[in-house]
Order: sequence, then C-alpha cells, then structure tokens
Amino acid sequence: DAGVTQSPTHLIKTRGQQVTLRCSPKSGHDTVSWYQQALGQGPQFIFQYYEEEERQRGNFPDRFSGHQFPNYSSELNVNALLLGDSALYLCASSLVGRGPYEQYFGPGTRLTVT
Amino acid sequence: QQQVKQSPQSLIVQKGGISIINCAYENTAFDYFPWYQQFPGKGPALLIAIRPDVSEKKEGRFTISFNKSAKQFSLHIMDSQPGDSATYFCAASIRSQGGKLIFGQGTELSVKP
Repeated sequence: DAGVTQSPTHLIKTRGQQVTLRCSPKSGHDTVSWYQQALGQGPQFIFQYYEEEERQRGNFPDRFSGHQFPNYSSELNVNALLLGDSALYLCASSLVGRGPYEQYFGPGTRLTVT
Repeated sequence: QQQVKQSPQSLIVQKGGISIINCAYENTAFDYFPWYQQFPGKGPALLIAIRPDVSEKKEGRFTISFNKSAKQFSLHIMDSQPGDSATYFCAASIRSQGGKLIFGQGTELSVKP
C-alpha cells in the first residue's frame, strides 16, 4: 500500500520565481492538505483540497495556490517567491467521511529560495 | 485561541526511562488531538490520537493522557529507547471543519543509551 508521495525532494529557486510542488495521496484517500514547516517549527496549515476544490485555507497570501486533480493528486504553486518561503512543504492525505480525519504525511519537499 | 502550546522544547531521557511531553490549548471546540513523530529529513508520522470523551489512550509504549477541564494533554513514552529520539508534535483539530491541524512548536527528544 503506497503511502503519500511528494516530488521533487529538493528544489532551489531564485527570489521572484514560481514553483510547483506535487503530491500523490495514500491509496484510498480523497483529501489533500498542504503544510509549510519552517526550520525548528511545527507545520503550518496552508490549505486543503477535496473534490477538486479548496475547502479550507490557512493564513497564507494569494501567492500560494493549489489544485486537485480527478485522481486526487494535488499541486501547490507558489508565485513571486520570497526568501521567507524557504521551508519544508508537506502534503498530508486523509479520507473525508471517516472520522477523525487521520492525516498521513508525505516526506516533504525542501524548498530553498536564494 | 487557535494556538497549541507545547513543552518542553527539548528533553533528554535515559534509556528505559519515561518521556513526558505536555500540550495545552485554548479553543474548546477542538475535538481531535493527535501526536506526530518526526525524524530529521522525514515527514511527521502519526503516532497516536485521542478524542476529548476519553481520558487516556494507550498504544504499546505510548500513552496519551487528556484533561478536558484543564485543556491539557500529554504524551508518555514508557521504556524510552534510543530509537525514539526524534521531534514530537502535538496537534489539535476540529473534525467538523475538515480536520485542519494546529500544531504545537515541537519537542526534541534525545534518549541516551
């Protein structure tokens, strides 16, 4: 049973550029949530996708956007990158309708903005 | 009101000892409290979780104690092993709102042989 997968593993971008991160949920899961984890901090919720729509959003600017595809996989896009966007980006999947919404995390994508 | 406060920031325990990590919350609407374990370079892994209608939950060497009136919950790791050395995060969510997780700041646990 494949767990949550994310790509790429590492990414280096320049300030002002745009980046796309990808996530495939755990088999059987239909909901994807994205989190940003700065070094030495707990993950911060960015947004959640279910049925190809953004269902919830955390306190992140519109530069952060996402998409969910019919196969439940998801993308996180960040425009106009800032140095402060350097972090580990985590994807978590879960199954709506099966409480308590246990979320399983992928290994993350380490984004470095220079 | 959405915060979850975790302590201590770091913890050193001898092999075989008990590791205790504490968390406190303000929002009484939270109804799901998971603990995650994270190794360097890896994503958080779900360890154990509890609902507020239960005061204690045990899975192997890991136990969550929950005090609803005090709005506090804690993770106890019995017979701590060097392989338990990792960062531990408590979290809280409101299930009816889709399960957005609010994480604590993390506790770096080191178990000495």
